[in-house]
Amino acid sequence: QKEVEQNSGPLSVPEGAIASLNCTYSDRGSQSFFWYRQYSGKSPELIMFIYSNGDKEDGRFTAQLNKASQYVSLLIRDSQPSDSATYLCAGRNDYKLSFGAGTTVTVRA
Amino acid sequence: EPEVTQTPSHQVTQMGQEVILRCVPISNHLYFYWYRQILGQKVEFLVSFYNNEISEKSEIFDDQFSVERPDGSNFTLKIRSTKLEDSAMYFCASIDSGTSGFYEQYFGPGTRLTVT
Repeated sequence: QKEVEQNSGPLSVPEGAIASLNCTYSDRGSQSFFWYRQYSGKSPELIMFIYSNGDKEDGRFTAQLNKASQYVSLLIRDSQPSDSATYLCAGRNDYKLSFGAGTTVTVRA
Repeated sequence: EPEVTQTPSHQVTQMGQEVILRCVPISNHLYFYWYRQILGQKVEFLVSFYNNEISEKSEIFDDQFSVERPDGSNFTLKIRSTKLEDSAMYFCASIDSGTSGFYEQYFGPGTRLTVT
């Protein structure tokens, strides 16, 4: 079973703070990793992807990948109340995604 | 911006009935997927479809499930005899030819299936 594990949460942060989300994976064949945001009752919305070791920044979001440690993270800087959602980490092997259970983030105004 | 569409948004059916969930992937996309998410649980892969055939399926995708691309635009998931445990959100997703190399999957809005 190819597992993706996320820190359980929920995570509550004040507005303007950094939210830090973590994810580990067991499948070394995973080629790239994706962070999705999911609002309650809605479909996953792609935030960003990463495939190389190191950091990748996109606006207020930074993804980090460490393949040796099989670890992926997402930082959300200057958190806004609209960032309150469940964040899903997914690993891609061939063409399918394996998802973690998600971390729910609440940004307090 | 192109998007994946799904119909219906909510389907209620009785146990043992057949249901067909419909998806229209993004027009230039070549790979199609169905995922499901039982309430409060993780998104689970069901099946992938490429070049008019199943390329991979999970253990969940048993003989009760089938997929079809009946024309150039629709992609359907059929459940032949629904069970209570089939109640879930079903998401269709698609990716392009992979020209970006990273195979980002774009999800439709989902169909909520309720089996009573």
